[in-house]
Amino acid sequence: DVKVTQSSRYLVKRTGEKVFLECVQDMDHENMFWYRQDPGLGLRLIYFSYDVKMKEKGDIPEGYSVSREKKERFSLILESASTNQTSMYLCASSSYTDTQYFGPGTRLTVL
Amino acid sequence: QKEVEQNSGPLSVPEGAIASLNCTYSDRGSQSFFWYRQYSGKSPELIMFIYSNGDKEDGRFTAQLNKASQYVSLLIRDSQPSDSATYLCAVRNAGGTSYGKLTFGQGTILTVHP
Repeated sequence: DVKVTQSSRYLVKRTGEKVFLECVQDMDHENMFWYRQDPGLGLRLIYFSYDVKMKEKGDIPEGYSVSREKKERFSLILESASTNQTSMYLCASSSYTDTQYFGPGTRLTVL
Repeated sequence: QKEVEQNSGPLSVPEGAIASLNCTYSDRGSQSFFWYRQYSGKSPELIMFIYSNGDKEDGRFTAQLNKASQYVSLLIRDSQPSDSATYLCAVRNAGGTSYGKLTFGQGTILTVHP
């Protein structure tokens, strides 16, 4: 079974803090993705990575950065958290079959 | 902008009925199509994928793909209250170095009432 784990299920941070969200997959997948999901807006792609140290911007990269130092780990970084970054953050991974498998999600609240 | 459209619903069906969920996509060259189920507060989980025109069955679920008309549908037979969830359609766009990117629809909320 594919397993994608995320470092926290719930996270509360203050405005201006630097926030790290970690994602780990155990299936040797090449591709990894970070989405945010908000009511009425669906899933929106923030960043994705197709190999170690490789990254591409998604549809809404502003205010975020990512890091992929190892194949199994993909980190999302909020450089200076703002209240409009309160959301559900979902990590996914996929191989050549394109099927994306999601982690359990992190519900981030920025106060 | 490549788009995937779904009726947001809610779609309400009685227990035991067939639920029919539809999705249209704009990129004619799309190759791979996926249906995910998402319970409230949870992450999406894969139900089915389909690559070829026609029907693909898996238990109570049938995915139907018509590339000429650019639509993909999901039928749920003998619907159960536990099927109540949001169903997301996702499409792999054609060409280029997409690296497995999928475009997701907004999702259809399904409610199965006893």
